Amino acid sequence: AQSVTQLDSQVPVFEEAPVELRCNYSSSVSVYLFWYVQYPNQGLQLLLKYLSGSTLVKGINGFEAEFNKSQTSFHLRKPSVHISDTAEYFCAVSDQGNDMRFGAGTRLTVKP
Amino acid sequence: EAGVAQSPRYKIIEKRQSVAFWCNPISGHATLYWYQQILGQGPKLLIQFQNNGVVDDSQLPKDRFSAERLKGVDSTLKIQPAKLEDSAVYLCASSSGLLEQYFGPGTRLTVL
Repeated sequence: AQSVTQLDSQVPVFEEAPVELRCNYSSSVSVYLFWYVQYPNQGLQLLLKYLSGSTLVKGINGFEAEFNKSQTSFHLRKPSVHISDTAEYFCAVSDQGNDMRFGAGTRLTVKP
Repeated sequence: EAGVAQSPRYKIIEKRQSVAFWCNPISGHATLYWYQQILGQGPKLLIQFQNNGVVDDSQLPKDRFSAERLKGVDSTLKIQPAKLEDSAVYLCASSSGLLEQYFGPGTRLTVL
């Protein structure tokens, strides 16, 4: 079965600085990859997804992620963060739509 | 369109008591998921329905957890009897089969 490792449990960053949230996955089959954001006391919201095609995926709120098959990574980036980006971010892998597995999450804290 | 609805939002019970959670997915979404999110962890899939049939319940603790989706629309997840380690947020999500899952706000369960 596939699995996901989010390498940083917490990432503090100053406002307007760039940020990268790291995600590595393991799977023996072709996978679909996702990033979700969770604001306090809310459900998860999809930021972006990789299904096939271009390895650079653009999502909402200025986020993007790059699929790297050789390194089995799917890191999330944003060139300039805002206070409102403070949230928990989850990387997830799915076996072609089934059996979605989530990482443990990365708490992004944006400081003024 | 209306999102995924869940109730109650919060529930506090004592161990060995029973509890039930309700979920109403987005209209027309055939697939419904229940996840358990323990504090500090990513969501873990408990059960996946396709219409009113179970697709995957491999991670559902069947000795105490049960779920049903009788008419292929809304769903109920029950825990009987509850244990301390069941304290978590229970998330419901739905999908139209296009891979993106839409999450409800969750039910926060505290077992004392």
